[in-house]
Amino acid sequence: EAQVTQNPRYLITVTGKKLTVTCSQNMNHEYMSWYRQDPGLGLRQIYYSMNVEVTDKGDVPEGYKVSRKEKRNFPLILESPSPNQTSLYFCASSLDPSYEQYFGPGTRLTVT
Amino acid sequence: QKEVEQNSGPLSVPEGAIASLNCTYSDRGSQSFFWYRQYSGKSPELIMFIYSNGDKEDGRFTAQLNKASQYVSLLIRDSQPSDSATYLCAVNRNYQLIWGAGTKLIIKP
Repeated sequence: EAQVTQNPRYLITVTGKKLTVTCSQNMNHEYMSWYRQDPGLGLRQIYYSMNVEVTDKGDVPEGYKVSRKEKRNFPLILESPSPNQTSLYFCASSLDPSYEQYFGPGTRLTVT
Repeated sequence: QKEVEQNSGPLSVPEGAIASLNCTYSDRGSQSFFWYRQYSGKSPELIMFIYSNGDKEDGRFTAQLNKASQYVSLLIRDSQPSDSATYLCAVNRNYQLIWGAGTKLIIKP
């Protein structure tokens, strides 16, 4: 089954404790993205990757890091989480940004 | 001004009527336009995409694009209660997708 998986689905953590949210896709897609979704603000792109070892900042990259060492995986790293990073996070993949984006199930992060 | 704007709603439509959702964008260089549906607590899923001026129909859904006026719309015919969701407009800008905040649609039985 073609899918994008994210883990964990829910995470409550404390300020400053490093965390990683994993994302994996099995569709051999080149393009992968991370978004955060906040009420009234819609989806905002954090980082995207056009292919292995090629990543770039989206509109809200501050406080986040990513890596793309393998085509299927695109982890999101929060080195020192802060409460303003409390949000719903989605990973997505596609052949290209001009094609349909396939979304993971989301990760709800709470930073206290 | 936001790059992609949508009326947040909620838009309330009687069952069986036509629901009309609108989206405006600011970047004239945008090439691809998408409508996604998102149920509460779920991931967005693609409804339609459109690249060229005019209408594109898929079942009960019609997307309309007017690049001169910089708007894209989604019409849902014969609205069903299962269409109740938030509808997100997205516009491709270079290597990014820019998203509107979404319109909440409520179909009343």
